[in-house]
Amino acid sequence: GQNIDQPTEMTATEGAIVQINCTYQTSGFNGLFWYQQHAGEAPTFLSYNVLDGLEEKGRFSSFLSRSKGYSYLLLKELQMKDSASYLCAVRGGANNLFFGTGTRLTVIP
Amino acid sequence: GAVVSQHPSWVICKSGTSVKIECRSLDFQATTMFWYRQFPKQSLMLMATSNEGSKATYEQGVEKDKFLINHASLTLSTLTVTSAHPEDSSFYICSAPGYNEQFFGPGTRLTVL
Repeated sequence: GQNIDQPTEMTATEGAIVQINCTYQTSGFNGLFWYQQHAGEAPTFLSYNVLDGLEEKGRFSSFLSRSKGYSYLLLKELQMKDSASYLCAVRGGANNLFFGTGTRLTVIP
Repeated sequence: GAVVSQHPSWVICKSGTSVKIECRSLDFQATTMFWYRQFPKQSLMLMATSNEGSKATYEQGVEKDKFLINHASLTLSTLTVTSAHPEDSSFYICSAPGYNEQFFGPGTRLTVL
């Protein structure tokens, strides 16, 4: 079975840094993805980790520890447009994705 | 990146009717496509894996006779919601796997009256 947990909601201030955590227990692991999703739209790809460590891409960074079943997404210099849901997803052996509960981030002025 | 389209983008139907949703890979071939469903304020739930030339693989709890999947070509998968009911109203999204990314379609909003 798949069990992927994220906080349901978070609030952060414009210009600040926010870290969204994801813990997982899955029967297979073939990489971990982070997606951003605005209401009523399809998810957009943010990052992919398959090895332990930190992947940095502009204002967004993602970290993975396979031994701990743990990942986080770090968003720096928050902007109002970053208000969205952030989805953690684990890829199984069949290339299918299992999504976490999603974290709704609200950025306030 | 690769492009996946879905049609229609939204559909309203009466209870008891069937609705077909198409998912196309526009600039690449996809032997596998995935179908997800998303209820309001919830995350995406994998429904089934569509396999070109063979039967789809359904996740536990998804009725295969209700959600018919056909993957007739390397660029097209269809999901038919048969005898739709109001509880089937949801956002349906398809995706095709890439090397280290999944390419999502824009989604189809289904409303069953």
